[in-house]
Amino acid sequence: SQTIHQWPATLVQPVGSPLSLECTVEGTSNPNLYWYRQAAGRGLQLLFYSVGIGQISSEVPQNLSASRPQDRQFILSSKKLLLSDSGFYLCAWSLAGGRKRTGELFFGEGSRLTVL
Amino acid sequence: AQSVAQPEDQVNVAEGNPLTVKCTYSVSGNPYLFWYVQYPNRGLQFLLKYITGDNLVKGSYGFEAEFNKSQTSFHLKKPSALVSDSALYFCAVRGRYNTDKLIFGTGTRLQVFP
Repeated sequence: SQTIHQWPATLVQPVGSPLSLECTVEGTSNPNLYWYRQAAGRGLQLLFYSVGIGQISSEVPQNLSASRPQDRQFILSSKKLLLSDSGFYLCAWSLAGGRKRTGELFFGEGSRLTVL
Repeated sequence: AQSVAQPEDQVNVAEGNPLTVKCTYSVSGNPYLFWYVQYPNRGLQFLLKYITGDNLVKGSYGFEAEFNKSQTSFHLKKPSALVSDSALYFCAVRGRYNTDKLIFGTGTRLQVFP
């Protein structure tokens, strides 16, 4: 079966410091990978998604970047954090390819980032 | 453009009563529709999906959802609510030929009172 791991679970960082959140998926190959941000426990904002190694689509211009150095690894980064980067970050995966794919996402447990 | 609306920020229901969480959508062509649940400080858990076929879809934890094409709705239902059902619920939609992205609603907080 497939599993998704996301870490760290909790992070407190000062303004201006770098960020690295990591997500890995096991039990499947060539998944689509996603980073979402959830602010104030409500709506989800899609930040980045990737359909393959080195292929990153950015949904919202911002202080963050994403990379996919390996097939099942997705990293969210920042060089200098802002207060507004605080939030709950969720990684997700879905099966890729083909019209028969229904596209449901499977989420990690999330990483709570507090920028002080 | 694809969109999904959850018109209620919060739904309150007494334990043992039926519950409904509303969702309407807009998408070109036939939709794929999904419901997710999120407990505090956790990731989203997949509940159920509508792809094609029977308009009434059954999912996890006794939840079901009814697809209504004429009303472009996909309301989540449960015949008898439990206190443990209290959580944040998200509806999501994807167009049949848009294979990459799900569009999520803003979420509805369900509060079940004992």
